[in-house]
Amino acid sequence: KNQVEQSPQSLIILEGKNCTLQCNYTVSPFSNLRWYKQDTGRGPVSLTIMTFSENTKSNGRYTATLDADTKQSSLHITASQLSDSASYICVVSASSGGGADGLTFGKGTHLIIQP
Amino acid sequence: NAGVTQTPKFRILKIGQSMTLQCTQDMNHNYMYWYRQDPGMGLKLIYYSVGAGITDKGEVPNGYNVSRSTTEDFPLRLELAAPSQTSVYFCASGLGSRLNTEAFFGQGTRLTVV
Repeated sequence: KNQVEQSPQSLIILEGKNCTLQCNYTVSPFSNLRWYKQDTGRGPVSLTIMTFSENTKSNGRYTATLDADTKQSSLHITASQLSDSASYICVVSASSGGGADGLTFGKGTHLIIQP
Repeated sequence: NAGVTQTPKFRILKIGQSMTLQCTQDMNHNYMYWYRQDPGMGLKLIYYSVGAGITDKGEVPNGYNVSRSTTEDFPLRLELAAPSQTSVYFCASGLGSRLNTEAFFGQGTRLTVV
């Protein structure tokens, strides 16, 4: 069964600090992995999409890494800001099978940035 | 360019009532999806559509119906609301299949069934 596990479940850090969120997956056959940011009361917004051949991708202060061999991904946030407070969802896409949309969603990491 | 628009944002229903959650997109995307998000859980696919006139079930379709008469609109219908349908519902759209291209989500509809 395809699964996406995220850790930690929640995280509190001080403004200006860095943090790293983890994502482990067992989705097969792998197509791509994406990280979404979901602000409270809003829909998810895509941060990065990575395919099998990409092992790092940046979007401003967000840097995602992918190790397709160990089936792990991380999202690193640099110099955190109050606006980074949100849930971060890891989503893995299968190239076949895996349901009608081919997507398996993680439960998310709830990040709180304190001033 | 509004993207994906969902209405209403909030709704309280009594058990057995019916309602339609509206979703419209102005990006000319063929693929549209409905998800539900329960507290502490990942999004689950309810129904999806690959184009006007074509719909199909996702992972959790029971208790819901959809229609796709135009490219822009993809309403989700609850016929006999049950407490188990209390959730946040998200509509999404994309250009390609299986959301392998960029996916855009609406802001969600928070539904409570009492």
